[in-house]
Amino acid sequence: AQKVTQAQTEISVVEKEDVTLDCVYETRDTTYYLFWYKQPPSGELVFLIRRNSFDEQNEISGRYSWNFQKSTSSFNFTITASQVVDSAVYFCALSEAYYGQNFVFGPGTRLSVLP
Amino acid sequence: DAGVTQSPTHLIKTRGQHVTLRCSPISGHKSVSWYQQVLGQGPQFIFQYYEKEERGRGNFPDRFSARQFPNYSSELNVNALLLGDSALYLCASSLAASSSIRGEQYFGPGTRLTVT
Repeated sequence: AQKVTQAQTEISVVEKEDVTLDCVYETRDTTYYLFWYKQPPSGELVFLIRRNSFDEQNEISGRYSWNFQKSTSSFNFTITASQVVDSAVYFCALSEAYYGQNFVFGPGTRLSVLP
Repeated sequence: DAGVTQSPTHLIKTRGQHVTLRCSPISGHKSVSWYQQVLGQGPQFIFQYYEKEERGRGNFPDRFSARQFPNYSSELNVNALLLGDSALYLCASSLAASSSIRGEQYFGPGTRLTVT
């Protein structure tokens, strides 16, 4: 069965600090996809990144970066120089590739960035 | 372009009643999925429809049903409401049926259902 664990329930940082959100997943599939979503207080999930299981290259997008390590089944998310607008709940999700889009979400990490 | 839209925004129902939630996907998207998000938890998959056919069903009782219309909009129906059905119901649309090709899902703002 597929499972996503986000061990950090809540994190508080001061603005401009770097912060890393952890995601560990379990799957028996050899082909799968990993996602990160942001859920601000408004409630709407915002897509951040999609990564397939064959691509372990790290990715950077502005202040955001992602580290995918298949050997440890982890897909961690780092925000550099955090800002107050980064305050939200962040979800990591896992999906099998071949048929449907049954996303399995982790429990989320609530990030609070204090001014 | 308009994103995923859902209606209504909020809904209050009594135990035992029936509810219908509606979703319009992003233009051009043929896949619609429904998720239930209980307060403080991650979304849980309920259904996926692609081209009007059910592609997946999560671990929810038969009180939950859904359908997709020719214009790719979708309805989620819940019968015999229980207090535990109180949650944010999220609709997501995608270009593809599976995650392998352009499989990212785009979510709507959700419908907040309260069962009293």
